[in-house]
Amino acid sequence: GENVEQHPSTLSVQEGDSAVIKCTYSDSASNYFPWYKQELGKRPQLIIDIRSNVGEKKDQRIAVTLNKTAKHFSLHITETQPEDSAVYFCAASLNQAGTALIFGKGTTLSVSS
Amino acid sequence: SAVISQKPSRDICQRGTSLTIQCQVDSQVTMMFWYRQQPGQSLTLIATANQGSEATYESGFVIDKFPISRPNLTFSTLTVSNMSPEDSSIYLCSVGQDSGALHFGNGTRLTVT
Repeated sequence: GENVEQHPSTLSVQEGDSAVIKCTYSDSASNYFPWYKQELGKRPQLIIDIRSNVGEKKDQRIAVTLNKTAKHFSLHITETQPEDSAVYFCAASLNQAGTALIFGKGTTLSVSS
Repeated sequence: SAVISQKPSRDICQRGTSLTIQCQVDSQVTMMFWYRQQPGQSLTLIATANQGSEATYESGFVIDKFPISRPNLTFSTLTVSNMSPEDSSIYLCSVGQDSGALHFGNGTRLTVT
């Protein structure tokens, strides 16, 4: 089955800096890669996603890149703000009916002002 | 996104007892997914619940311990049976979106004493 590795487990940056979180996946058939943000005590919320037919996707300060050959994808957050502090999870799936998401172990991002 | 109501939001239970968690969705969905999130950990898929058939369990999870019901297209329950302190976790139900993303309920925070 699919296995998703995520690095780093913790990341501390200064406000205004960029943050990058990287994930690798094992199943070359996976074709959907979402990123979730989970604030303390709250449910995970989708922040951005990418499909295997796209190499990069951007939404304001966040972007995701995908390298299918290397089977890795990354989340980039620019101009970080204290409210970006949270746990971020990457995930992968086959994106077929009835297919669940397999999550990475998460990255705790701390943005200090 | 679908609105998911999950109950209870939290509970404290004694070891050896069972707790049933309910998940109600405001629209009909084919698949519902149950995840467990142990303290400070990632989301681990317990099982996939399809209406009209038995749930499909992931490795490490068995029906006797985590029986699931899916009586219709808007409702599912997960029971945590014969609980031990190791079952203390957040349990989350989720439904798939057309995009492939999952939308999560607010979770049930279970503490077993």
